[in-house]
Amino acid sequence: SQQGEEDPQALSIQEGENATMNCSYKTSINNLQWYRQNSGRGLVHLILIRSNEREKHSGRLRVTLDTSKKSSSLLITASRAADTASYFCATGSNGSGNTGKLIFGQGTTLQVKP
Amino acid sequence: DGGITQSPKYLFRKEGQNVTLSCEQNLNHDAMYWYRQDPGQGLRLIYYSQIVNDFQKGDIAEGYSVSREKKESFPLTVTSAQKNPTAFYLCATRQGNGETQYFGPGTRLLVL
Repeated sequence: SQQGEEDPQALSIQEGENATMNCSYKTSINNLQWYRQNSGRGLVHLILIRSNEREKHSGRLRVTLDTSKKSSSLLITASRAADTASYFCATGSNGSGNTGKLIFGQGTTLQVKP
Repeated sequence: DGGITQSPKYLFRKEGQNVTLSCEQNLNHDAMYWYRQDPGQGLRLIYYSQIVNDFQKGDIAEGYSVSREKKESFPLTVTSAQKNPTAFYLCATRQGNGETQYFGPGTRLLVL
């Protein structure tokens, strides 16, 4: 089952611009994570934010979480052509016990033009 | 992708044939997962295993089977009962009580 939706489905920007992707989810969560996938490759973990956190930074990445709206956003600042990839949000919940199960969104495909 | 290998990279299946996808890890992680990804879609959980000799169905287990005889290995068999197997299959691991997952490079399965 898909947890929620990501918006936009596709995003095309110029190098140097900022990219913002949004993720909505349906159930209560313990944490929300963002992963990156280059075309035809596996996913790579980018950043995790816990349900009691509102904002987190890692390098050029900024993640926000609004549990009242059940939504998160990922901001990539000063984008580079190498940031071209698909980005997925994934949620982990207390209800899954310690199984570590994640529910993934459908992803946002980002194209950064040089 | 380091520490997790999936083979083959591409796999072709004939009608009525069972095929097995390999996932091996040298990270000493206890938990392993299999996901299916269809074009333009997110990941859906097929099976997962938290310890050796134990595994549970995910959201789309029908037509698939797994085994976990060794900690390092979690092979996925796509059986003939899976009528629409064409997809990209991803294996992942998780360390202890950690929350993040580590992914292999994937296997693309195509039907002849």
